[in-house]
Amino acid sequence: DAKTTQPPSMDCAEGRAANLPCNHSTISGNEYVYWYRQIHSQGPQYIIHGLKNNETNEMASLIITEDRKSSTLILPHATLRDTAVYYCIVRVRSADDKIIFGKGTRLHILP
Amino acid sequence: DSGVTQTPKHLITATGQRVTLRCSPRSGDLSVYWYQQSLDQGLQFLIQYYNGEERAKGNILERFSAQQFPDLHSELNLSSLELGDSALYFCASSVEAKTEAFFGQGTRLTVV
Repeated sequence: DAKTTQPPSMDCAEGRAANLPCNHSTISGNEYVYWYRQIHSQGPQYIIHGLKNNETNEMASLIITEDRKSSTLILPHATLRDTAVYYCIVRVRSADDKIIFGKGTRLHILP
Repeated sequence: DSGVTQTPKHLITATGQRVTLRCSPRSGDLSVYWYQQSLDQGLQFLIQYYNGEERAKGNILERFSAQQFPDLHSELNLSSLELGDSALYFCASSVEAKTEAFFGQGTRLTVV
C-alpha cells in the first residue's frame, strides 16, 4: 500500500512556481522520498529524491520538513509541458524494495 | 528517451491467447520492474528482477509470468488473456534495485 497522501489535483498558472505537497507521516528513518511524474500515458519519469536534506536538480527542488513527515516538490517556473500526474513515493533503498505508486496529484498548468 | 526499450509498442490479440512483452533495460542496469496500468487506473506493481533473479512480487496473476535473461533483458508472458487484461504495461530498470528507476514508453495491450 502507498504510504503517502497527496491532493488529487492542483492548478498552477504558467510561469509560476508549482508547489506539490506530500504527506508521509509514517515514514521510517531509512526511507527516502522519491518523486516521479507521468505525462498522459507515457512512462513515468523520475524527477528527484531525498532523505533528509533539501535537494535541487535541473527539473525541480524537493523540500523535506525537519520531522520528515511531509515534503514539497517545487517546479520553479511551470510550463504547459509540466501538466502531468505527480507521484510521491517513500521507499527503502534496498535490493528487494518495490516501487509502489499511489494515486498521485494531477497538476494542470493553466495558460 | 529513458534508454529503456519496450517492444512491441502496440499489441492487439484475442481472448484466450498468449503474448510476450519484451523489455531491454538501460545499458548497465541490473534491475528490472514490470507494471500494469489499466485505463484511468494507477500503476500496479507486478514483479521485479535483479540480475536474473526474482526479487519482489506484487499482485501478479498466476496467468502472468516473467523472467530476466543472462543478457539482462526481460520478458513478461501473459496467457489465457481476458478482456480485463487490456492495459498499458510498463517496464523500468535501475542500476541496482535501490536506485532510481527509469521507465520505458510501455506496451499497449488490447484484448478483443
